[in-house]
Amino acid sequence: AQKVTQAQTEISVVEKEDVTLDCVYETRDTTYYLFWYKQPPSGELVFLIRRNSFDEQNEISGRYSWNFQKSTSSFNFTITASQVVDSAVYFCALSEAGGTSYGKLTFGQGTILTVHP
Amino acid sequence: EAQVTQNPRYLITVTGKKLTVTCSQNMNHEYMSWYRQDPGLGLRQIYYSMNVEVTDKGDVPEGYKVSRKEKRNFPLILESPSPNQTSLYFCASSLGLEGNEQFFGPGTRLTVL
Repeated sequence: AQKVTQAQTEISVVEKEDVTLDCVYETRDTTYYLFWYKQPPSGELVFLIRRNSFDEQNEISGRYSWNFQKSTSSFNFTITASQVVDSAVYFCALSEAGGTSYGKLTFGQGTILTVHP
Repeated sequence: EAQVTQNPRYLITVTGKKLTVTCSQNMNHEYMSWYRQDPGLGLRQIYYSMNVEVTDKGDVPEGYKVSRKEKRNFPLILESPSPNQTSLYFCASSLGLEGNEQFFGPGTRLTVL
């Protein structure tokens, strides 16, 4: 069965600090996909990134970066020079390629990030 | 504009009063699903549909029904709502290919008294 764990329930930082959100996953599939979503206070879910299990290359998009390590089953998300607008709940999610889990996103519990001015 | 819409956005109801939350997408997506979000639990899948007339249970289907008579619509039905169904509900759709990004609706906040 697939599982995603975000051990950090809440993180509080001051603006301009760097912050890393941890995500650890479990799956028996060799082909799977990992996602990060952002849920700002307005409540909608905003897609941030998708990685497949065969692509361990780290990715950077502006102040955001993602570190995917299959050896530790982790897909961590770092925000550099955080801003107040980064305050949100962040979800890590896993999708397996086939079988009865097809298409399903298994979400972690979410990490509430608060960035103080 | 490509989007997933849900109605209503907010609903307060009483135990046992049947309700339907509608979901519609305009992207011609084959795959649609419903999730509920609860504090500390993240989002959990309720039901999903891989195409018209094809639906199946997710992780938490008890107390819910769905139908997929048209490709664009995927309503969530609570025949006899109970207080433990108080939650934030999201509808999502995708092309249905493996690993596709799912597009989420704006959410429906349901309170059952």
